[in-house]
Amino acid sequence: ETGVTQTPRHLVMGMTNKKSLKCEQHLGHNAMYWYKQSAKKPLELMFVYNFKEQTENNSVPSRFSPECPNSSHLFLHLHTLQPEDSALYLCASSQAGGSIDTQYFGPGTRLTVL
Amino acid sequence: AQTVTQSQPEMSVQEAETVTLSCTYDTSESDYYLFWYKQPPSRQMILVIRQEAYKQQNATENRFSVNFQKAAKSFSLKISDSQLGDAAMYFCAYRRGGATNKLIFGTGTLLAVQP
Repeated sequence: ETGVTQTPRHLVMGMTNKKSLKCEQHLGHNAMYWYKQSAKKPLELMFVYNFKEQTENNSVPSRFSPECPNSSHLFLHLHTLQPEDSALYLCASSQAGGSIDTQYFGPGTRLTVL
Repeated sequence: AQTVTQSQPEMSVQEAETVTLSCTYDTSESDYYLFWYKQPPSRQMILVIRQEAYKQQNATENRFSVNFQKAAKSFSLKISDSQLGDAAMYFCAYRRGGATNKLIFGTGTLLAVQP
């Protein structure tokens, strides 16, 4: 449907587990983003990568660890999460430096922490 | 700090009718961009329409148009000839101009379309 894919689409994990979320964009963009979407709250920007370099960390707890090996791939490594971390995690990409820099979103990963 | 407010948590419209979703924002910047995103039940966030603050003309995309009132800091979305496929959560978003790619979102408006 769009050029941004995310896997897995659903993930259930315990608080002691380690898992990773994957995002891939096929749009030739140079910026990638992680957002957290919780019910009845605005989307929260977590991390921004421009040209594989992290340019924004929005005070995210260290139990979330991003990785951007190249401009097309973005990971979010999860460890020792808390139940309040349960949410929809959205990845987005854009062509940074353009006049409008519209972000295109993936379908999200629904994360449940038990 | 910039904020985006969507005061209507839920709206409903009859098929083929027109509906307007409200959005207000707070900023001291003069250069910025505004967006409306749609998130259907399948969860894929899709860009609906965007507006550059320096443009006085309201943006339009087929059945979607905006009423951009810069002085009032208002950016409403009008959907004409509503269709069942328009049912979704709609988010208003703001981005400051310049070398930043940080989007600030509102809390969203859930739009139901009645057949």
